[in-house]
Amino acid sequence: QLQLQESGPGLVKPSETLSLTCTVSGGSINTRDHYWGWIRQPPGKGLEWIGTVYRSGSIDYNPSLRSPVTISVDTSKNQFSLNLSSVTAADTAVYYCARHVRVVSGSVWYRYLDYWGRGALVTVSS
Amino acid sequence: EIVLTQSPGIVSLSPGERATLSCRASQSVSSGYLGWYQQRPGQAPRLLIYGASIRATGIPDRFSGSESGTDFTLTISRLEPEDSAVYYCQQYGDSVYTFGQGTKLEIK
Repeated sequence: QLQLQESGPGLVKPSETLSLTCTVSGGSINTRDHYWGWIRQPPGKGLEWIGTVYRSGSIDYNPSLRSPVTISVDTSKNQFSLNLSSVTAADTAVYYCARHVRVVSGSVWYRYLDYWGRGALVTVSS
Repeated sequence: EIVLTQSPGIVSLSPGERATLSCRASQSVSSGYLGWYQQRPGQAPRLLIYGASIRATGIPDRFSGSESGTDFTLTISRLEPEDSAVYYCQQYGDSVYTFGQGTKLEIK
């Protein structure tokens, strides 16, 4: 059974960089039909996609995010990471890592998020 | 960017009843890129439906999805207390994933 686990500081100061790592266990991070990404949820609010990193190394980011974002993959450690720089209080949220699936069946392409981590609360405060 | 609008915001039903949750897209969405997720309090979201109507592994057949143009529907039959949760629709288009704002389902 695939498992994802977020890790990183729970408190970050304003203007600093938020860094989280997602460790994947029970399966390889280097598979053809799977990509890896981050979603966040501010307290009491809905889900917001942050970005997805593909096997090729290319990355899609949410253009609505105010803070610069980078996502990277370390296949040797079966991990991928998120860096969000120059954070503000608006970046306070539970951060989830998730596996993104992109598969074709017949002539139909599918995309969905099938495995999620349990989430990590990150608070931005001085 | 495609906007997903979910309705109603909150719905309260009794066990055994049927819930009908709506998700309307601001423009055309490929049905293969439309999913539904359940989020119980304090938990991570869980994939229920992908491809607008395909149940994910282990999801009971009480959950079903359908589509009509830019309108997508999640139907939950024979409601159980454990169905109390927030339900989100999600789409992928133009290299961007977006989520609806969620519908909260309360079981009386």
